[in-house]
Amino acid sequence: LAKTTQPISMDSYEGQEVNITCSHNNIATNDYITWYQQFPSQGPRFIIQGYKTKVTNEVASLFIPADRKSSTLSLPRVSLSDTAVYYCLVGPQAAGNKLTFGGGTRVLVKP
Amino acid sequence: DTAVSQTPKYLVTQMGNDKSIKCEQNLGHDTMYWYKQDSKKFLKIMFSYNNKELIINETVPNRFSPKSPDKAHLNLHINSLELGDSAVYFCASSQSTGANVLTFGAGSRLTVL
Repeated sequence: LAKTTQPISMDSYEGQEVNITCSHNNIATNDYITWYQQFPSQGPRFIIQGYKTKVTNEVASLFIPADRKSSTLSLPRVSLSDTAVYYCLVGPQAAGNKLTFGGGTRVLVKP
Repeated sequence: DTAVSQTPKYLVTQMGNDKSIKCEQNLGHDTMYWYKQDSKKFLKIMFSYNNKELIINETVPNRFSPKSPDKAHLNLHINSLELGDSAVYFCASSQSTGANVLTFGAGSRLTVL
């Protein structure tokens, strides 16, 4: 499975855009990029998934360059409730995929 | 109506005891998982079942025994509990055709004294 590297932590302020970049240099052709959010004392929650270019939903945008060796999760206009740990995962969609969560990026949104 | 529910939410027990955690999902998914999150917050996959068949068993001590009576249920039984078993255990489910999109339960915090 492709190994991912993302910053350990990021601070931001309410109303700002937060961009978290994840490196996955050895991503395979059939791998998808998936991001999760985890609040304290809760299970991770799926945010967004993409294969290439750009994906947007009501929560976030995901930017993937043509070489797919990195991806950037963009959270527009964050609020205090966006303080959480964000995980970048890379792997195929098939059952038996040992989806591995790394250390994640701890995002702290300040007032 | 909780999609993935685990019970109990908290477990405090003595070393050497046996305990079980139950998980149920009402999403119609065909794949279920157990993950362990330790004090450093790393989430590690332990087991995965697809249509009641074990498909992932990640070098977990054989004191841990998962059981899937049907597609909607995946239970975890732990024998002879050790201090190092203290962690939060998460159950999750997905469709096998979308195995990267997991729905997690709220977690079961196990404390072994």
